[in-house]
Amino acid sequence: AQSVTQPDIHITVSEGASLELRCNYSYGATPYLFWYVQSPGQGLQLLLKYFSGDTLVQGIKGFEAEFKRSQSSFNLRKPSVHWSDAAEYFCAVAPRAAGNKLTFGGGTRVLVKP
Amino acid sequence: NAGVTQTPKFQVLKTGQSMTLQCAQDMNHEYMSWYRQDPGMGLRLIHYSVGAGITDQGEVPNGYNVSRSTTEDFPLRLLSAAPSQTSVYFCASRPGQGWNTEAFFGQGTRLTVV
Repeated sequence: AQSVTQPDIHITVSEGASLELRCNYSYGATPYLFWYVQSPGQGLQLLLKYFSGDTLVQGIKGFEAEFKRSQSSFNLRKPSVHWSDAAEYFCAVAPRAAGNKLTFGGGTRVLVKP
Repeated sequence: NAGVTQTPKFQVLKTGQSMTLQCAQDMNHEYMSWYRQDPGMGLRLIHYSVGAGITDQGEVPNGYNVSRSTTEDFPLRLLSAAPSQTSVYFCASRPGQGWNTEAFFGQGTRLTVV
């Protein structure tokens, strides 16, 4: 069965510092890969997605993610964090064939120190 | 353009009560789904619909019913609320069944069952 693991439940980072959130997946074939952000009291917003091609994908709000097939990973990065990046981040995978299962990781909550 | 609208935003129920969580989208999307979000578990799929008149079970369907009489609306019914159903519920929609189209999420309904 497919699964998504986000090893870090909480991360605290200083404003202006870099951020990396880890995501590992277990899947039979390379799935579609997504990162979502959930700000407090809000729904989920898509940050970026990987379907194929260049393994380094750019997203909104200055985020990027790198797909590494050999490591079954899709880590999210931002070079310089802003206070507004404090939120919960979810990695998710979905099958390439038309299907209805979007599997989410448990989420990583990011706290930003002034 | 409202996107995906969920009502109510907050609800407290007593054990055994029933209620309906509303979800409406104005983007003419075929595919709609309901998730519940619990700490450390990400989002789990409850039920989904690939079009008006068609629904199916997701990962955690027990205790919930859905119907899809129109393209726009996808209500979620709790038949007899239990404390285990205390959660945040998200409705999502996307144009088609493939995940190469972006999913849009509502802002969530926070449900407490006492």
